[in-house]
Amino acid sequence: AQSVTQLGSHVSVSEGALVLLRCNYSSSVPPYLFWYVQYPNQGLQLLLKYTSAATLVKGINGFEAEFKKSETSFHLTKPSAHMSDAAEYFCAVRKTGANSKLTFGKGITLSVRP
Amino acid sequence: DAGITQSPRHKVTETGTPVTLRCHQTENHRYMYWYRQDPGHGLRLIHYSYGVKDTDKGEVSDGYSVSRSKTEDFLLTLESATSSQTSVYFCAIRGDEQFFGPGTRLTVL
Repeated sequence: AQSVTQLGSHVSVSEGALVLLRCNYSSSVPPYLFWYVQYPNQGLQLLLKYTSAATLVKGINGFEAEFKKSETSFHLTKPSAHMSDAAEYFCAVRKTGANSKLTFGKGITLSVRP
Repeated sequence: DAGITQSPRHKVTETGTPVTLRCHQTENHRYMYWYRQDPGHGLRLIHYSYGVKDTDKGEVSDGYSVSRSKTEDFLLTLESATSSQTSVYFCAIRGDEQFFGPGTRLTVL
């Protein structure tokens, strides 16, 4: 079985500060990994994905994530937070294969202080 | 944006009544999914479909049924709604990536 752990439920940073949202996964086979963002009262939007190509993945809005197999991690970072980054962020994992399903973490709410 | 719509967007109903939520896609994708989102639980898969008339259960399928008679439509039915089914429901479709609809906020009183 596959699973995702997002430690903590809330992260608060100052505008301009580094954003680091942690995600650790468990999978019996090499996984595909995803980060989604959800703005208030909206659906989920894909930020970036890892599909076994480059281990450093760049996404939209200046976010990136690095796949580290030795640490079973896929942490999301952004060098400088902007007020518009305030949202809920979900890490998700799925196996390769046509019929595989996404498993989501519980999500982390990011607040950005002026 | 992927062409996914959900209807209704908001619904308030009473315990014991049947409720059907609709997901419609214009992308002709084979895979469609229903999730529920609850605080502290993230998104949990209810049911999914891998083709017309082909559906299977997810991790929280009790109390829910689905149907898919056309590629573009995936219906989620609560046969007898309970207060524990108060939630936000998201439909998703999948090609290379998974895309989500705008959600339906369901309140069961």
